[in-house]
Amino acid sequence: GAVVSQHPSRVICKSGTSVKIECRSLDFQATTMFWYRQFPKQSLMLMATSNEGSKATYEQGVEKDKFLINHASLTLSTLTVTSAHPEDSSFYICSARDLVAGANTGELFFGEGSRLTVL
Amino acid sequence: AQSVTQLDSHVSVSEGTPVLLRCNYSSSYSPSLFWYVQHPNKGLQLLLKYTSAATLVKGINGFEAEFKKSETSFHLTKPSAHMSDAAEYFCVVSFQGGKLIFGQGTELSVKP
Repeated sequence: GAVVSQHPSRVICKSGTSVKIECRSLDFQATTMFWYRQFPKQSLMLMATSNEGSKATYEQGVEKDKFLINHASLTLSTLTVTSAHPEDSSFYICSARDLVAGANTGELFFGEGSRLTVL
Repeated sequence: AQSVTQLDSHVSVSEGTPVLLRCNYSSSYSPSLFWYVQHPNKGLQLLLKYTSAATLVKGINGFEAEFKKSETSFHLTKPSAHMSDAAEYFCVVSFQGGKLIFGQGTELSVKP
Protein backbone atom coordinates (compact mmCIF):
# COMPACT_ATOMS: atom_id res chain seq x y z
CA GLY A 1 0.00 0.00 0.00
CA ALA A 2 0.89 3.66 -0.17
CA VAL A 3 3.48 4.90 2.30
CA VAL A 4 3.53 8.19 4.15
CA SER A 5 6.68 9.09 6.02
CA GLN A 6 6.94 11.60 8.85
CA HIS A 7 10.12 13.09 10.22
CA PRO A 8 11.21 13.44 12.94
CA SER A 9 9.40 10.72 14.87
CA ARG A 10 10.39 12.35 18.15
CA VAL A 11 11.59 15.86 18.92
CA ILE A 12 12.32 17.68 22.15
CA CYS A 13 12.75 21.41 22.10
CA LYS A 14 12.98 24.36 24.43
CA SER A 15 10.11 26.71 24.95
CA GLY A 16 10.16 29.58 22.47
CA THR A 17 11.86 27.70 19.66
CA SER A 18 10.27 26.55 16.41
CA VAL A 19 10.01 22.96 15.22
CA LYS A 20 9.38 21.70 11.70
CA ILE A 21 7.75 18.34 10.97
CA GLU A 22 7.85 16.87 7.49
CA CYS A 23 5.28 14.64 5.87
CA ARG A 24 6.18 12.86 2.64
CA SER A 25 4.21 10.57 0.39
CA LEU A 26 6.88 8.13 -0.75
CA ASP A 27 5.30 6.30 -3.64
CA PHE A 28 2.34 8.39 -4.70
CA GLN A 29 1.29 11.98 -5.29
CA ALA A 30 -0.99 13.84 -2.96
CA THR A 31 -2.58 17.19 -3.77
CA THR A 32 -4.11 17.20 -0.32
CA MET A 33 -2.59 16.28 3.00
CA PHE A 34 -4.14 16.56 6.43
CA TRP A 35 -2.56 17.37 9.77
CA TYR A 36 -3.95 15.97 12.99
CA ARG A 37 -3.14 16.40 16.63
CA GLN A 38 -3.68 13.67 19.17
CA PHE A 39 -3.64 14.07 22.93
CA PRO A 40 -2.97 11.04 25.14
CA LYS A 41 -5.81 8.54 25.19
CA GLN A 42 -7.85 10.70 22.83
CA SER A 43 -8.94 10.62 19.23
CA LEU A 44 -7.37 12.55 16.38
CA MET A 45 -8.29 16.18 15.96
CA LEU A 46 -8.04 17.63 12.48
CA MET A 47 -5.94 20.78 12.55
CA ALA A 48 -5.72 21.77 8.92
CA THR A 49 -5.98 20.67 5.33
CA SER A 50 -2.85 21.26 3.31
CA ASN A 51 -3.30 21.93 -0.39
CA GLU A 52 -0.42 21.74 -2.82
CA GLY A 53 0.41 25.16 -4.19
CA SER A 54 -2.10 27.08 -2.12
CA LYS A 55 -2.80 28.15 1.44
CA ALA A 56 -3.80 25.63 4.01
CA THR A 57 -7.33 25.53 5.38
CA TYR A 58 -7.38 25.59 9.16
CA GLU A 59 -10.07 24.17 11.40
CA GLN A 60 -11.83 26.43 13.82
CA GLY A 61 -9.76 27.18 16.89
CA VAL A 62 -6.41 26.34 15.30
CA GLU A 63 -4.02 29.29 15.16
CA LYS A 64 -2.65 29.61 11.64
CA ASP A 65 0.24 31.79 12.79
CA LYS A 66 1.16 29.22 15.39
CA PHE A 67 1.00 26.19 13.14
CA LEU A 68 2.46 27.09 9.78
CA ILE A 69 1.74 24.66 6.99
CA ASN A 70 3.50 24.55 3.65
CA HIS A 71 2.69 22.16 0.83
CA ALA A 72 5.32 22.95 -1.75
CA SER A 73 5.10 19.81 -3.84
CA LEU A 74 2.83 16.84 -4.51
CA THR A 75 4.86 14.70 -2.12
CA LEU A 76 5.78 17.02 0.74
CA SER A 77 3.91 19.00 3.35
CA THR A 78 5.49 20.59 6.41
CA LEU A 79 4.07 21.70 9.73
CA THR A 80 6.06 24.26 11.69
CA VAL A 81 5.15 24.86 15.30
CA THR A 82 6.34 28.40 15.95
CA SER A 83 7.41 29.70 19.34
CA ALA A 84 6.55 26.39 20.90
CA HIS A 85 5.24 26.18 24.45
CA PRO A 86 4.73 23.18 26.73
CA GLU A 87 1.02 23.09 25.90
CA ASP A 88 1.98 22.39 22.27
CA SER A 89 3.45 19.08 23.35
CA SER A 90 1.46 16.43 21.55
CA PHE A 91 1.48 13.69 18.95
CA TYR A 92 1.13 15.12 15.46
CA ILE A 93 0.04 12.90 12.60
CA CYS A 94 -0.22 13.66 8.91
CA SER A 95 -2.19 11.84 6.27
CA ALA A 96 -2.48 11.93 2.52
CA ARG A 97 -4.79 10.57 -0.12
CA ASP A 98 -3.43 8.81 -3.16
CA LEU A 99 -4.74 10.68 -6.20
CA VAL A 100 -5.41 7.39 -7.93
CA ALA A 101 -6.00 4.73 -5.31
CA GLY A 102 -7.83 6.76 -2.74
CA ALA A 103 -9.65 9.24 -4.91
CA ASN A 104 -12.95 7.40 -5.02
CA THR A 105 -12.96 5.86 -1.58
CA GLY A 106 -11.72 8.65 0.62
CA GLU A 107 -9.10 6.36 2.10
CA LEU A 108 -6.21 8.19 3.66
CA PHE A 109 -2.74 6.90 4.37
CA PHE A 110 -1.20 7.97 7.64
CA GLY A 111 2.30 8.79 8.70
CA GLU A 112 3.83 7.22 11.79
CA GLY A 113 3.36 10.40 13.77
CA SER A 114 5.74 12.84 15.44
CA ARG A 115 5.95 13.15 19.20
CA LEU A 116 6.72 16.76 20.18
CA THR A 117 7.82 17.55 23.69
CA VAL A 118 8.35 21.19 24.61
CA LEU A 119 10.34 21.77 27.78
CA ALA B 1 -24.45 16.30 9.78
CA GLN B 2 -21.95 13.49 9.80
CA SER B 3 -20.83 11.91 13.05
CA VAL B 4 -19.49 8.65 14.35
CA THR B 5 -19.84 7.12 17.80
CA GLN B 6 -17.83 4.28 19.23
CA LEU B 7 -19.93 2.84 21.96
CA ASP B 8 -17.15 1.45 24.13
CA SER B 9 -14.05 3.33 25.20
CA HIS B 10 -12.41 0.13 26.41
CA VAL B 11 -12.96 -3.54 25.60
CA SER B 12 -11.16 -6.39 27.31
CA VAL B 13 -11.17 -9.95 25.99
CA SER B 14 -9.23 -13.13 26.62
CA GLU B 15 -6.89 -14.48 23.97
CA GLY B 16 -8.74 -16.83 21.65
CA THR B 17 -12.18 -15.33 22.31
CA PRO B 18 -14.22 -13.20 19.87
CA VAL B 19 -13.80 -9.46 19.56
CA LEU B 20 -16.64 -7.00 18.99
CA LEU B 21 -15.96 -3.26 18.70
CA ARG B 22 -19.10 -1.23 18.13
CA CYS B 23 -19.53 1.78 15.88
CA ASN B 24 -22.58 3.79 14.88
CA TYR B 25 -22.58 6.60 12.37
CA SER B 26 -24.76 9.42 11.18
CA SER B 27 -24.48 10.68 7.64
CA SER B 28 -26.69 12.51 5.21
CA TYR B 29 -24.91 10.88 2.31
CA SER B 30 -23.85 7.36 1.48
CA PRO B 31 -20.79 7.13 3.64
CA SER B 32 -17.42 5.56 3.22
CA LEU B 33 -16.52 3.88 6.48
CA PHE B 34 -13.20 2.71 7.77
CA TRP B 35 -11.64 0.99 10.71
CA TYR B 36 -8.10 1.98 11.60
CA VAL B 37 -5.81 0.51 14.25
CA GLN B 38 -3.18 2.44 16.16
CA HIS B 39 -0.47 0.83 18.23
CA PRO B 40 1.23 2.94 20.94
CA ASN B 41 3.17 5.91 19.57
CA LYS B 42 2.47 4.84 16.01
CA GLY B 43 0.45 6.16 13.11
CA LEU B 44 -2.78 4.62 11.93
CA GLN B 45 -3.06 1.49 9.85
CA LEU B 46 -6.11 0.69 7.77
CA LEU B 47 -7.86 -2.50 8.79
CA LEU B 48 -10.72 -2.38 6.32
CA LYS B 49 -13.05 -0.07 4.44
CA TYR B 50 -16.63 0.01 3.22
CA THR B 51 -17.34 1.94 0.03
CA SER B 52 -20.87 0.87 -1.02
CA ALA B 53 -19.86 -2.49 -2.39
CA ALA B 54 -20.37 -5.66 -0.33
CA THR B 55 -21.86 -4.98 3.08
CA LEU B 56 -19.63 -7.55 4.76
CA VAL B 57 -16.09 -6.32 4.50
CA LYS B 58 -13.05 -8.44 5.23
CA GLY B 59 -9.85 -6.78 6.34
CA ILE B 60 -6.38 -7.63 7.44
CA ASN B 61 -5.40 -9.82 10.40
CA GLY B 62 -8.73 -11.66 10.40
CA PHE B 63 -10.91 -8.63 11.11
CA GLU B 64 -14.19 -7.99 9.37
CA ALA B 65 -17.04 -5.52 9.64
CA GLU B 66 -20.63 -5.45 8.47
CA PHE B 67 -22.33 -2.33 7.18
CA LYS B 68 -25.94 -2.27 8.35
CA LYS B 69 -27.76 0.71 6.91
CA SER B 70 -30.96 0.06 8.87
CA GLU B 71 -29.03 0.20 12.11
CA THR B 72 -26.48 2.80 10.93
CA SER B 73 -23.80 0.54 12.32
CA PHE B 74 -20.40 -0.70 11.22
CA HIS B 75 -19.22 -3.00 13.99
CA LEU B 76 -15.78 -4.59 13.85
CA THR B 77 -15.38 -8.26 14.70
CA LYS B 78 -12.76 -10.95 14.88
CA PRO B 79 -13.47 -14.60 15.73
CA SER B 80 -10.41 -15.15 17.88
CA ALA B 81 -8.35 -12.45 19.56
CA HIS B 82 -4.56 -12.52 19.55
CA MET B 83 -2.26 -10.76 21.97
CA SER B 84 -0.94 -8.63 19.12
CA ASP B 85 -4.44 -7.23 18.56
CA ALA B 86 -4.13 -5.10 21.70
CA ALA B 87 -4.26 -1.52 20.42
CA GLU B 88 -6.52 1.49 19.90
CA TYR B 89 -9.17 1.15 17.21
CA PHE B 90 -10.86 4.02 15.42
CA CYS B 91 -14.05 3.94 13.40
CA VAL B 92 -13.95 6.66 10.76
CA VAL B 93 -16.43 8.22 8.35
CA SER B 94 -15.31 9.93 5.17
CA PHE B 95 -17.28 12.61 3.44
CA GLN B 96 -16.83 15.12 0.63
CA GLY B 97 -13.45 16.76 0.31
CA GLY B 98 -11.62 13.87 1.87
CA LYS B 99 -12.09 14.96 5.46
CA LEU B 100 -12.43 12.17 7.94
CA ILE B 101 -14.48 12.16 11.10
CA PHE B 102 -12.96 9.99 13.80
CA GLY B 103 -14.76 8.14 16.51
CA GLN B 104 -13.52 8.52 20.04
CA GLY B 105 -11.53 5.32 19.83
CA THR B 106 -11.82 1.97 21.59
CA GLU B 107 -8.90 0.55 23.48
CA LEU B 108 -8.74 -3.21 23.08
CA SER B 109 -6.96 -5.20 25.77
CA VAL B 110 -6.24 -8.90 25.29
CA LYS B 111 -5.61 -11.03 28.35
CA PRO B 112 -3.54 -14.21 28.14
